[in-house]
Amino acid sequence: AQSVSQHNHHVILSEAASLELGCNYSYGGTVNLFWYVQYPGQHLQLLLKYFSGDPLVKGIKGFEAEFIKSKFSFNLRKPSVQWSDTAEYFCAVTPSGGYNKLIFGAGTRLAVHP
Amino acid sequence: GAGVSQSPSNKVTEKGKDVELRCDPISGHTALYWYRQSLGQGLEFLIYFQGNSAPDKSGLPSDRFSAERTGGSVSTLTIQRTQQEDSAVYLCASLYLGGPNTGELFFGEGSRLTVL
Repeated sequence: AQSVSQHNHHVILSEAASLELGCNYSYGGTVNLFWYVQYPGQHLQLLLKYFSGDPLVKGIKGFEAEFIKSKFSFNLRKPSVQWSDTAEYFCAVTPSGGYNKLIFGAGTRLAVHP
Repeated sequence: GAGVSQSPSNKVTEKGKDVELRCDPISGHTALYWYRQSLGQGLEFLIYFQGNSAPDKSGLPSDRFSAERTGGSVSTLTIQRTQQEDSAVYLCASLYLGGPNTGELFFGEGSRLTVL
């Protein structure tokens, strides 16, 4: 069965620090990968996605993620975080071409201090 | 409306009562998903609809949980004989499968259920 593991449950950073959130998935076939973000009091929204092609994907608000197939990883990065990045971040996976089930990780709560 | 609408936004009920949660997806979205979000547990998949049929019900935790979708639009998630462990935020999301394969789920703001 598919699963997604997010290694960091809580991350606290100061503004301008660099961010990397880990995500590993378990699935033997081709996958589509996503990062979703939930800002305080708001609904979940898509941050970025990978379907195929360039494994380095750029999303909104300066975020990027790199798909490393050999490591089954899709880590999220941002060179310099802002206070407004305070949110919960979820990694998700689904088999390519299938939308039966988007499997989410447990989420990482990021707090950015001014 | 422009987004996924869920109601009620908050529901407090007593153990043993039945509850219904409603989801109104984005117009034209053919696929609809229910997830449950518990503190520290991430998002737990419950059920997926394609049109009015549910090809994947594997995430429903027990037979107290059921869901239906009518007219390819509104969906209702029903929890019978609620238990305290059912307390969570229930999220609905929709997706348009007929066009470019974006894979982007559009989420509602959720229904927060508290079982006393």
